[in-house]
Amino acid sequence: AQSVTQLDSHVSVSEGTPVLLRCNYSSSYSPSLFWYVQHPNKGLQLLLKYTSAATLVKGINGFEAEFKKSETSFHLTKPSAHMSDAAEYFCVVSDRGGYQKVTFGTGTKLQVIP
Amino acid sequence: EPEVTQTPSHQVTQMGQEVILRCVPISNHLYFYWYRQILGQKVEFLVSFYNNEISEKSEIFDDQFSVERPDGSNFTLKIRSTKLEDSAMYFCASGEATGSYEQYFGPGTRLTVT
Repeated sequence: AQSVTQLDSHVSVSEGTPVLLRCNYSSSYSPSLFWYVQHPNKGLQLLLKYTSAATLVKGINGFEAEFKKSETSFHLTKPSAHMSDAAEYFCVVSDRGGYQKVTFGTGTKLQVIP
Repeated sequence: EPEVTQTPSHQVTQMGQEVILRCVPISNHLYFYWYRQILGQKVEFLVSFYNNEISEKSEIFDDQFSVERPDGSNFTLKIRSTKLEDSAMYFCASGEATGSYEQYFGPGTRLTVT
């Protein structure tokens, strides 16, 4: 069985400061992990993915995430927040190669204060 | 860049009516999915489809739901007799067969049942 927990439903940061969105997962197999972003009234856009290669994954728009098996975590970070980063972020896990269903976390709404 | 498209963007229907939500996956993809997101809740898996048949479905995907790939480009979700609780955003996704495990999501169809 697979599950994912996003520890914060809302995160607020000032523009130019670091972003940390936390995600912990549970998986019976070696998981594939993803972060998606959803801007208001838009679809889901893939930010980055981990599929058993390098544990530090770089994505689009300056985001990165580190897969830590010992902590079952896949936290999303960005060194400096931009106003355009304000959106909802979903951590997603698949423990069967991703061809079957993926399981979404409950989402974290990121607010960026000017 | 190729993308998944969905029509309509917003559908309003009366309880008990049938609706068909349409998706055009990315052309060389072989895996197809439907997910839904009830307002304020997390994205939930409905069904996956491969090789012209359902490969997995959730407990939400009961007899009132069906999927079809009527031609080489469209992938549809039919809800036979809509209920108020079917009101949600429905996302289509598609995936390629090369092991990247990434699912590409469409912008969603907002279904409102009155």
